[in-house]
Amino acid sequence: EPEVTQTPSHQVTQMGQEVILRCVPISNHLYFYWYRQILGQKVEFLVSFYNNEISEKSEIFDDQFSVERPDGSNFTLKIRSTKLEDSAMYFCASRGRGSGSRINEQFFGPGTRLTVL
Amino acid sequence: DQQVKQNSPSLSVQEGRISILNCDYTNSMFDYFLWYKKYPAEGPTFLISISSIKDKNEDGRFTVFLNKSAKHLSLHIVPSQPGDSAVYFCAASVRQGGSEKLVFGKGTKLTVNP
Repeated sequence: EPEVTQTPSHQVTQMGQEVILRCVPISNHLYFYWYRQILGQKVEFLVSFYNNEISEKSEIFDDQFSVERPDGSNFTLKIRSTKLEDSAMYFCASRGRGSGSRINEQFFGPGTRLTVL
Repeated sequence: DQQVKQNSPSLSVQEGRISILNCDYTNSMFDYFLWYKKYPAEGPTFLISISSIKDKNEDGRFTVFLNKSAKHLSLHIVPSQPGDSAVYFCAASVRQGGSEKLVFGKGTKLTVNP
């Protein structure tokens, strides 16, 4: 079964550094999302992306964050200047479109654990 | 801002019995509800969903019930198996005219004892 993949699985960085988290969505999916989960808290929506533009973003997704689909297969999340509070698991998700019980659901990658020191 | 609430942080059941996980929501705009299962160090795995026009959806051992008037949904697993032990997240979204972002509850850790 096709799956969403994410790299790296764990990223350690110094406060103030830039990080890029990478995702390869399921190949025929059209909608892409980033979520994060701070340890012990709920999974929170960051941003949704469709047709090469952001369709919605949360309050968390400030000017330090950006997303890109550089080559038609990868979907990246960049944090320009990381803060301690950015430490979390970051999940990428993708969704198809059409009829059928599963194609319209969001499927998640395994996550990238970001640790900001 | 707890639009989706899972009030039981944990649940323990015996193998073969029914597991019932509960979820409440406050936003009446939600029109689609989902359950995800999550193992440690993995991403959420989609289990089952239900549209607000239905009150029940069944897929094998998993059944989701929706009570719109009470803004309550539940996931029934029967019979429960030890491999079902995981954290279960309830999620909701606005599908009509929305970006379909998911709003998650805090999760319920299910332990199925052999």
